[in-house]
Amino acid sequence: GENVEQHPSTLSVQEGDSAVIKCTYSDSASNYFPWYKQELGKGPQLIIDIRSNVGEKKDQRIAVTLNKTAKHFSLHITETQPEDSAVYFCAAKGTNSNYQLIWGAGTKLIIKP
Amino acid sequence: DAEITQSPRHKITETGRQVTLACHQTWNHNNMFWYRQDLGHGLRLIHYSYGVQDTNKGEVSDGYSVSRSNTEDLPLTLESAASSQTSVYFCASSESYSGTGGNEQYFGPGTRLTVT
Repeated sequence: GENVEQHPSTLSVQEGDSAVIKCTYSDSASNYFPWYKQELGKGPQLIIDIRSNVGEKKDQRIAVTLNKTAKHFSLHITETQPEDSAVYFCAAKGTNSNYQLIWGAGTKLIIKP
Repeated sequence: DAEITQSPRHKITETGRQVTLACHQTWNHNNMFWYRQDLGHGLRLIHYSYGVQDTNKGEVSDGYSVSRSNTEDLPLTLESAASSQTSVYFCASSESYSGTGGNEQYFGPGTRLTVT
């Protein structure tokens, strides 16, 4: 079945710098790749997603890139701010799955002032 | 505004007891999911439902059950609680659709369950 690996598990960056979180997936037929942000004490919330027919998507300071050949996708956050501190999860949906997502283990992002 | 709620937010129970965690959504979504979240494991799917009277097992379903009698609710029952079931539990819902790609899952605030 589908497997999603996420790296790093913890990332500490200086405020204003960029942060990059990477995920790899095993099912070459996967076609949907969302990223969720989880703040302390809350449930995860979708921040950006990308479908397999698109290589890159951007929303203000957040961007996601997809490399189907290498089976990996990445989250890029530019000009990081204190409110970006959270746990970030990547996920993938295979074509054999109607609505289920396979999740990465999460990355704790720490923004240093 | 539509929302998804979970209750209780915190629960302490003893080994062997039956426990039910409630999940209620007002999005009118057909799809509902239960996850558990443990450090180092991310989110693991316990059970899911694609509509009334439909339930399916996820990757970690042993010791858990769900029932779907209406669109709004998907209660999760631990038949005989075990210490290994100490975790944070999240309920989520999403729309159903036809076509490729995926739909956003909306998460509840979570229930922290401790089994002593």
